Amino acid sequence: QSALTQPPSASGSPGQSVTISCTGSSSDVGGYYYVAWYQQHPGKAPKLMIYEVTKRPSGVPDRFSGSKSGNTASLTVSGLQAEDEADYYCCSYAGSNTWVFGGGTKLTVL
Amino acid sequence: EVQLVESGGALVQPGGSLRLSCAASGFTFGSYDMHWVRQVTGKGLEWVSGIGIVGDTYYAGSVKGRFTISRENGKSSLFLQMNNLRVGDTAVYYCVRGSYCSGAGHCSPVGYFDPWGQGTLVTVSS
Repeated sequence: QSALTQPPSASGSPGQSVTISCTGSSSDVGGYYYVAWYQQHPGKAPKLMIYEVTKRPSGVPDRFSGSKSGNTASLTVSGLQAEDEADYYCCSYAGSNTWVFGGGTKLTVL
Repeated sequence: EVQLVESGGALVQPGGSLRLSCAASGFTFGSYDMHWVRQVTGKGLEWVSGIGIVGDTYYAGSVKGRFTISRENGKSSLFLQMNNLRVGDTAVYYCVRGSYCSGAGHCSPVGYFDPWGQGTLVTVSS
């Protein structure tokens, strides 16, 4: 499988909204409603932020939201806060019980 | 508290073997599918392998035929046997809990990778 395509970087000022895209194909993102997003701070393990495209695990602020259109999924962070600065990775089901991640996006809060 | 603790990472020569272990606690281990995900230092995440509650196994193409995932439910433990290691396998390996699976074999939520262990470093170098 080829990694999903994410922009290397994204940025926004505190209080603003930023959207990170994740582009795959009909064999992964476009073919299933199983896209998740993970947040990773430096030196830490990833943390689940969104699953099944739009759902938030308990404890994740509602500032984080997910969506999907065709072969592209998106993560939107509204009301940016300093602690949102991290790397974000998308992950999609790719069939046959396999999974594929995106290359990651470094979110900077200006 | 749900916890995953990996061990077994080391420096190994190309062509060598290594066995990673993951000790799980705080949940009914045998009711969840489990995964290994790796990350090259400073790079992105790569799904490596997964195992279902009845021992069905799945692999990324890059490791198929070289790595073997297994589990011992009675000891709440997950393993990854890595053979014929390559320089490109150098990474931090994370043990990750997947979906909850009912006795009827239905697993949900799908793609719910949480939590993650702290990772164990595997270095393949001569």
